Amino acid sequence: AQSVTQLGSHVSVSEGALVLLRCNYSSSVPPYLFWYVQYPNQGLQLLLKYTSAATLVKGINGFEAEFKKSETSFHLTKPSAHMSDAAEYFCAVTRMDSSYKLIFGSGTRLLVRP
Amino acid sequence: DGGITQSPKYLFRKEGQNVTLSCEQNLNHDAMYWYRQDPGQGLRLIYYSQIVNDFQKGDIAEGYSVSREKKESFPLTVTSAQKNPTAFYLCASSIGTIVAGGPVDYNEQFFGPGTRLTVL
Repeated sequence: AQSVTQLGSHVSVSEGALVLLRCNYSSSVPPYLFWYVQYPNQGLQLLLKYTSAATLVKGINGFEAEFKKSETSFHLTKPSAHMSDAAEYFCAVTRMDSSYKLIFGSGTRLLVRP
Repeated sequence: DGGITQSPKYLFRKEGQNVTLSCEQNLNHDAMYWYRQDPGQGLRLIYYSQIVNDFQKGDIAEGYSVSREKKESFPLTVTSAQKNPTAFYLCASSIGTIVAGGPVDYNEQFFGPGTRLTVL
C-alpha cells in the first residue's frame, strides 16, 4: 500500500535561508506526486506536481522539488525563505489502485524567523 | 472565475444534531472529495464521488453521509453518530479519477476554502 512520510512536523528557518521540507513515499511503481501549501484557515493550493517528464519540478512562489527514485523521495526546496512562506505544507501521492485517490502526508509547518 | 465554494465558513452545532456542509464547483470536474483535517493528522478522506449519482466511502466514513445528485454539488452531512465531529472540513474536486497511464492532471485536486465545524 502506498504511504507518504513527511519528516518533521515543524521546520524553522531564518528569512533568506534555504528551505528544505522532506517527503518520502512508498510505492512499487513510480507514483504521481504533489506538494500543496495551506495558509491558516484556508484550503490547500497546489505548489507543484511530478509528471515524470522531468525529475526537477519547478512550482509557484520559487519552490521546486526533485524526484529521486533511488531514495523514494520528493523533497521540497526554496533557496531563500520569505516571511510569506510561513504555512503548512503537504506532500501527496496517488494511490495506485483503481481509485487513484491521493494519500496525504501529515504535513510540515514552516516557521520563518525575521 | 472557476473554483470551489464551501459554505458556511464557520458552523456551530449542538450535540445530537445533524448538520450539512455545502460544496459547489464550477470547474466541470467529474470527481469530488470530502476530507477531514485535524491538527497533526493531515487530511483524511471521508467520501468521494467519481460521477453523478455514485459515491464511495473513504477511510473515515462512519458518522457521515453524502449525496451527488448534480455534477457541481457534493454536500456532506455530519450525523449525530459521528463521535468527534469538531474539525476542519475540506472539499476538493479533480477532472476525473484517472485511468492507468492517463494524464497526471486527472489526479490534481482543487480545494475549497474549508468549513470549520465546532460542536458545542
